[in-house]
Amino acid sequence: EAQVTQNPRYLITVTGKKLTVTCSQNMNHEYMSWYRQDPGLGLRQIYYSMNVEVTDKGDVPEGYKVSRKEKRNFPLILESPSPNQTSLYFCASSFIPGTGELFFGEGSRLTVL
Amino acid sequence: EDKVVQSPLSLVVHEGDTVTLNCSYEVTNFRSLLWYKQEKKAPTFLFMLTSSGIEKKSGRLSSILDKKELFSILNITATQTGDSAVYLCAVEASYSVHGANNLFFGTGTRLTVIP
Repeated sequence: EAQVTQNPRYLITVTGKKLTVTCSQNMNHEYMSWYRQDPGLGLRQIYYSMNVEVTDKGDVPEGYKVSRKEKRNFPLILESPSPNQTSLYFCASSFIPGTGELFFGEGSRLTVL
Repeated sequence: EDKVVQSPLSLVVHEGDTVTLNCSYEVTNFRSLLWYKQEKKAPTFLFMLTSSGIEKKSGRLSSILDKKELFSILNITATQTGDSAVYLCAVEASYSVHGANNLFFGTGTRLTVIP
């Protein structure tokens, strides 16, 4: 089954404790991206990756890092999480870079205390 | 500043009603407008619109884009309880030096269909 898989789905952590949210897609997509969704603000892009050689910042990259060492995986790293990073995170992918026809993962709800 | 505004913020209707959801935008370097449906989990793709005046249709859902007036509508006819969801509008714009497009999302319209 074609899908984008995120882990963990739910996480409660404390300020400053490094964490990684993994994202994997099995559709051989070139383009992958991370979004956060907050009430009243909609979905905002954190980082995106055109392919394994290219990653770039989205609209709200502060406090996050990403890596794209292989095509299928695109982990989101919070080196020192803070309470303002409490949010619902979505990973998404698409076959053609630059298209909005995205396939989204199920979401990861992160709470930073 | 690029923005996408959806209205209404929420809507409650009875099964069988027809609803119209609105999306207006102010985005430079416009490429396309997309509609997504978000139930409890991940948004799922509905439509992508690039040309004015051409209706896209899928079952009871249809959408049209007006690039002159900078808006789109999503119509749902004969609504069912399964249509209850948040409907997201997103606009694609070309900014990135890498050729990827930025996607700007509205905050969504929450539709509730009562039996």
